[in-house]
Amino acid sequence: AQKITQTQPGMFVQEKEAVTLDCTYDTSDQSYGLFWYKQPSSGEMIFLIYQGSYDEQNATEGRYSLNFQKARKSANLVISASQLGDSAMYFCAMREDLLQGGSEKLVFGKGTKLTVNP
Amino acid sequence: DSGVTQTPKHLITATGQRVTLRCSPRSGDLSVYWYQQSLDQGLQFLIQYYNGEERAKGNILERFSAQQFPDLHSELNLSSLELGDSALYFCASSAGRTSGRNTGELFFGEGSRLTVL
Repeated sequence: AQKITQTQPGMFVQEKEAVTLDCTYDTSDQSYGLFWYKQPSSGEMIFLIYQGSYDEQNATEGRYSLNFQKARKSANLVISASQLGDSAMYFCAMREDLLQGGSEKLVFGKGTKLTVNP
Repeated sequence: DSGVTQTPKHLITATGQRVTLRCSPRSGDLSVYWYQQSLDQGLQFLIQYYNGEERAKGNILERFSAQQFPDLHSELNLSSLELGDSALYFCASSAGRTSGRNTGELFFGEGSRLTVL
């Protein structure tokens, strides 16, 4: 079963508008972390934002915010005031905190390609 | 600049050959992760090393192997290469949540793009 599901292969948004990229996850663990990364066409992976499962408030980092709905197991990324430079692939990822000393690897979704139109 | 260095950036080779990808983690990071990103695919976790020891194994083929050296740099060895091994291979490092950072995000290198002809 997929751990991270991103149902939008591609999204389009007009410059200066807000856009929401969807992410749902599947875990039986109570403690976990959720991440969003941006991958521009140049290929590098850029960390954007983090949400811990016990965090009561939604995470925000500048124009990025994470709409965390724990009961629905969703962690949508909201980008406000889109810029042309936001055009990129966006990946949602999860870290499951299973065991002390266990792996802290991230499991990634397949990504959403965002295109910002002028 | 994430602080993670990967070499080479680009590599073109033939089927059946063997290549080695190298990764230097961020200063002080003990964990190194290898991921494979094929065309139209997300990132597939291959393997993790922590302070020289294998910590977790993912979808890594038997033809692939990795190690982490005492200076914490890591190498990913890909042998008997096939066309389907063409991909972007990422190395990432992390300080881990026990270091005082409570997020545990991974810092990625720029990747090594492997083309098998």
